Amino acid sequence: AQSVTQPDIHITVSEGASLELRCNYSYGATPYLFWYVQSPGQGLQLLLKYLSGDTLVQGIKGFEAEFKRSQSSFNLRKPSVHWSDAAEYFCAVGARTRDDKIIFGKGTRLHILP
Amino acid sequence: EAGVTQFPSHSVIEKGQTVTLRCDPISGHDNLYWYRRVMGKEIKFLLHFVKESKQDESGMPNNRFLAERTGGTYSTLKVQPAELEDSGVYFCASSRGLAVETQYFGPGTRLLVL
Repeated sequence: AQSVTQPDIHITVSEGASLELRCNYSYGATPYLFWYVQSPGQGLQLLLKYLSGDTLVQGIKGFEAEFKRSQSSFNLRKPSVHWSDAAEYFCAVGARTRDDKIIFGKGTRLHILP
Repeated sequence: EAGVTQFPSHSVIEKGQTVTLRCDPISGHDNLYWYRRVMGKEIKFLLHFVKESKQDESGMPNNRFLAERTGGTYSTLKVQPAELEDSGVYFCASSRGLAVETQYFGPGTRLLVL
């Protein structure tokens, strides 16, 4: 079955520290991969996406993610977090066919310590 | 270009009442999607419109949910009668083409059924 696993429900890091949010997926073939962020009171915003090519993807707000086919992973990273990064982050996958469903993980809520 | 808008932002109703959620997609986007996040769960696909036609409604939970998109512009999602388990955040997304990588999400409607 197709699924996305985000093993960490909550993560707390200090401002200025590095961040890595984990994501693993189960899919029949290599899907499109996404990270979305939802800040308090806001909608879902696309941070970055992997479609093909370079497995290290750069996104907005200084985030990057690396696709590792052998590990079925797409972990999100940021070298130095800011207080404004406190939000909920969703990893998601989508088919490379005409099936337009996006399948989401349960989300990881990021807390930032001052 | 205005983004996807949803109304209302919040709704609190009693069990057995009816609620109608509205989504206005980005102008020119023929594809419109509804997703739902129940508390503590992942965001799940509900259905997909292409213009005014339902392309895929495999995610609709039961017949208490009715989605329409008359004229192929805005869409409504009616829940009648609402049950406690319907509480959650309802997201709408739109895209110009048939591709998961181009879906733009709205801010969501937070529904609480008491």
